[in-house]
Amino acid sequence: GAVVSQHPSRVICKSGTSVKIECRSLDFQATTMFWYRQFPKQSLMLMATSNEGSKATYEQGVEKDKFLINHASLTLSTLTVTSAHPEDSSFYICSARASTGTSGREQYFGPGTRLTVT
Amino acid sequence: AQSVTQPDIHITVSEGASLELRCNYSYGATPYLFWYVQSPGQGLQLLLKYFSGDTLVQGIKGFEAEFKRSQSSFNLRKPSVHWSDAAEYFCAVGADYKLSFGAGTTVTVRA
Repeated sequence: GAVVSQHPSRVICKSGTSVKIECRSLDFQATTMFWYRQFPKQSLMLMATSNEGSKATYEQGVEKDKFLINHASLTLSTLTVTSAHPEDSSFYICSARASTGTSGREQYFGPGTRLTVT
Repeated sequence: AQSVTQPDIHITVSEGASLELRCNYSYGATPYLFWYVQSPGQGLQLLLKYFSGDTLVQGIKGFEAEFKRSQSSFNLRKPSVHWSDAAEYFCAVGADYKLSFGAGTTVTVRA
């Protein structure tokens, strides 16, 4: 149980275009979803927290107009990188927090999406 | 705010030898703690977690970790390392339903 999927696993886009990444909780309802970014050989940095039906909360230094997050349902959150530039190339990982079990303290991670902007 | 320090950037260990990865955290209240493993290009796999209770926690793949409040530590151990344990290991501390990750420790296993 507690499986999170991400789509696509890899995407290459041209500079100036937008790309959407989906994060789905497959067998549970996710009260909250989180989006992380990971540069090569580095740790995960939290970008934003999204709750179903409300606006995402962005961490300091993350451009909310560039990284659009939509949490339309209890099983789906999307991250759209708008007007992508090569410096946006990174590994993006989502996680989901269940509304029940372990007091909601555990996050279940997706497999990640490798974004390359050319 | 919480923070995590993993003092060792890279550890090399011989197959069959024991492994210990260090993790120190900073948090004002009782933390909840995790260890994750990541293979290249992959997502995170949870090895073990501590919320409360017994301070020695058993995880998957033969790993265990011990929570020591007095030392603000949550070190990960494995008695005998296998070649497949070569990966990146992250310690994380949770608070207010958010996780903060350490910088990670790369483990290399030599034959």
